[in-house]
Amino acid sequence: QKEVEQDPGPLSVPEGAIVSLNCTYSNSAFQYFMWYRQYSRKGPELLMYTYSSGNKEDGRFTAQVDKSSKYISLFIRDSQPSDSATYLCAYEGSGSARQLTFGSGTQLTVLP
Amino acid sequence: GAVVSQHPSRVICKSGTSVKIECRSLDFQATTMFWYRQFPKQSLMLMATSNEGSKATYEQGVEKDKFLINHASLTLSTLTVTSAHPEDSSFYICSALTGGSNTIYFGEGSWLTVV
Repeated sequence: QKEVEQDPGPLSVPEGAIVSLNCTYSNSAFQYFMWYRQYSRKGPELLMYTYSSGNKEDGRFTAQVDKSSKYISLFIRDSQPSDSATYLCAYEGSGSARQLTFGSGTQLTVLP
Repeated sequence: GAVVSQHPSRVICKSGTSVKIECRSLDFQATTMFWYRQFPKQSLMLMATSNEGSKATYEQGVEKDKFLINHASLTLSTLTVTSAHPEDSSFYICSALTGGSNTIYFGEGSWLTVV
C-alpha cells in the first residue's frame, strides 16, 4: 500500500465551479499537511500548510484535515482558468528531517 | 518570498557523460537542501537530503555513486548525474530549508534529457 493515495484525474471543471481535491494517507507519523500547486514543467509552489484537524482558509482555498480518517482535502472556490495545474498533497513526519512525502498529483483544468 | 534558483533549467547530454545541476538559495541561507526526481505524470520522489558541510543522506534505492551531491556552502548545493543513461532522463527539483522561518522553498526544476 502506498503511503499516500491521490486520484490523478484529470479533472475538468467549468470556470466558477467549486473544486474538491483529496488525498488519503496510511502513515500515522505524518503530522504536517501541505498542498502544492505545480504548473507544467515548473517547480511546486506551496498553497496551504496545516498541522491540525479541521479547516484552514486562505482566500479561495480551504484545506481540510481529518486525522482520524487519515484524509485531507483542498477546496477551491470560484475556480479560475489560472488554477489549471497539478495539485500535490504532501506530508511531513514529526521528526526534524523535514522530508516530504508527496501524492501523485491531480491534474486540474478549469475551462473558461 | 524566498527564491531558490536551479541551473540549468534544461539540459541535454549524451549517454555516458556527466551533468551537473546547481541549486542556489538566492536570499537566504539554507542549512538543508533536498533533491527530488519527478518522472512524467508521477509524484516527486525524494532522492537525498544534504546538509551544509556534511555528506548527503540518500534514500533507499538511490545510487550515491551515480548521483553525487555536494552542499559546500549555505547557498549552493549541486547534483551531478554521472555516466548518465536515457533512463536518468527526468525532472530534477531541489528544495531548500530556511533556518529562520523554517520554511521549505522549491526551485523551478531542471529537465534532464539523456540521448
